[in-house]
Amino acid sequence: GESVGLHLPTLSVQEGDNSIINCAYSNSASDYFIWYKQESGKGPQFIIDIRSNMDKRQGQRVTVLLNKTVKHLSLQIAATQPGDSAVYFCAENDGGSNYKLTFGKGTLLTVNP
Amino acid sequence: EAQVTQNPRYLITVTGKKLTVTCSQNMNHEYMSWYRQDPGLGLRQIYYSMNVEVTDKGDVPEGYKVSRKEKRNFPLILESPSPNQTSLYFCASSLSSQGGQETQYFGPGTRLLVL
Repeated sequence: GESVGLHLPTLSVQEGDNSIINCAYSNSASDYFIWYKQESGKGPQFIIDIRSNMDKRQGQRVTVLLNKTVKHLSLQIAATQPGDSAVYFCAENDGGSNYKLTFGKGTLLTVNP
Repeated sequence: EAQVTQNPRYLITVTGKKLTVTCSQNMNHEYMSWYRQDPGLGLRQIYYSMNVEVTDKGDVPEGYKVSRKEKRNFPLILESPSPNQTSLYFCASSLSSQGGQETQYFGPGTRLLVL
């Protein structure tokens, strides 16, 4: 899985399967987390966010889980489609400034038909 | 359509030739920010602005300037570009002044090559 600070990992799944993309963070004071999707040649696109007072949040086909005990964030995509192929990255606010998000390097998701 | 726009989308220039990349948002957002994206390094913040006439440095501000004279515009200025500023640049905005605590909406990117 991804960590804010590591090289870009990859995940390859079959169309229709569920995908899980992981993100580790190091600052226990981090209080806001967000997932972005970036398709080739495009800007990052907001998927879903979660605050530290929640453990889980669901959107359309996506779920974000936050485990503050082990400082781990995951993005689950249900019934993955070819259009989901992209780089996914997490970002966090580490609680030190209200004006800054720290971005991870991303995970490349490839969906095979 | 609510969006963040950047111009130009692609730019090739030479070392030392001043350039400006424009960014505009039509969502009446308070916060705007510039990032650069490099392979293996992810998105790094260059400068941000919490409101009109209020700007501050991000993680990699060296070699860049910004201004925020109007709420909707946040141009990025490279006074004397160098090859190490070759990168993919993104502008982003968010509704309130606290852009680190809410969704930031990104523009389509500007790919810059400095020869």
